[in-house]
Order: sequence, then structure tokens, then C-alpha cells
Amino acid sequence: DAKTTQPNSMESNEEEPVHLPCNHSTISGTDYIHWYRQLPSQGPEYVIHGLTSNVNNRMASLAIAEDRKSSTLILHRATLRDAAVYYCILRVPLGNTPLVFGKGTRLSVIA
Amino acid sequence: GAVVSQHPSRVICKSGTSVKIECRSLDFQATTMFWYRQFPKQSLMLMATSNEGSKATYEQGVEKDKFLINHASLTLSTLTVTSAHPEDSSFYICSASSLDWNSPLHFGNGTRLTVT
Repeated sequence: DAKTTQPNSMESNEEEPVHLPCNHSTISGTDYIHWYRQLPSQGPEYVIHGLTSNVNNRMASLAIAEDRKSSTLILHRATLRDAAVYYCILRVPLGNTPLVFGKGTRLSVIA
Repeated sequence: GAVVSQHPSRVICKSGTSVKIECRSLDFQATTMFWYRQFPKQSLMLMATSNEGSKATYEQGVEKDKFLINHASLTLSTLTVTSAHPEDSSFYICSASSLDWNSPLHFGNGTRLTVT
């Protein structure tokens, strides 16, 4: 599986935007970029995914570099409930392929 | 949105006994389910992949006779930890996938297993 690299931890102030980076220099042309997050003592939760174009949904935005070797998850206004481990994962477009989790970025939000 | 229900959320058992964990997809047909294990302060590790009606595929290092997986229907998969030992204490998480590859995976809320 193509690997992703994320910072171990990041910190943000409440109600400020947060940019979570992810490097994936070995991404293949068909890999989708997925972001999930895991709150304490819970299963992972889907955040957003994309292929080439930037994506927006009610939770976040995903900015994908033109060469697709990196991407950034953007939380527009961090809240205390956004404190979690955020995972950037590459996934091939097949329904029966699992997600392979790296270490992710632990986001702390300060009130 | 799609929901995956996992039960029980917590279980404590004695060493040598077996524990069954259920994973249900509530509003979609899960052709494939995945089982993960997570130790404290570590990431999720894939244990096995199960397809409805067929035998599960286990990741290297995961004992198939110890972690029995059954996926008898499109909405239910079970993981049975047999002859549990304290080192099996962990957070077990299931995930379900439909055939629509563009749909995200949905995860259960996990089962905290403590073996005494």
C-alpha cells in the first residue's frame, strides 16, 4: 500500500481554522485520498475523500496538490469536539479493500 | 447515514473463556467486513477481511483458530476470541463495506475486551 506521512500531533485554538497536512509521494493514479478521524474510545469516523479536485462537505474541506503528492484537510473552525486522531489514507477504488491506518495526527483543541 | 452497530461495547472475561463480538450493518448490505484491533496509544491494525458466505482472510500473524470470524449474512459478522488470554485484551473494531467502492467505510464503535 502506498504510504502517507503525517505530523504526529498538532494544536489549535478553538474557533480557528486548522490545516492538517499529509504527504503521499508514492500515490498511484487510481488511489483515492481518504480522511478519517477517531475520537477517544470510539471507532473511526469518515471525514472526506477525493481524487484530484478539491472537495468540500459539511465537516471539512480537502485540498489536493496538483501533483497529488500531498493533501491538506481543512477544518474551518475547530471546536473542542474536533479533538481526535486524524488519519490520511490512500485507498484503491475497489469495494472490498480495507483501510490501512498509519499513525495519524493527534489534534488538540484549546479552549 | 449508514450505520454499523457493534456489540458489546465492553466485555470482561476470565482467562481461558471465549468471547463473541457482533458487527451489524443496519441500513446497507455489507458484502465485506473488516476486523481491526487497537492497542493503547497505537493505530488500528487489520486482523482479517471477511466476505459474506466465504472464509475470512487473515493478516499475517493473526491466528485464525484463535480469532474465529463468521460472516453468514450481508448484515452480520461475528468475531469470536477463543481461549482468551490477558494479552488479547484490546479494542476490537469492525468495519463494513458495500460493493460501491466510492462509498466510505463505516465503522462500529468498538468493543473493549479485558481478559483477567
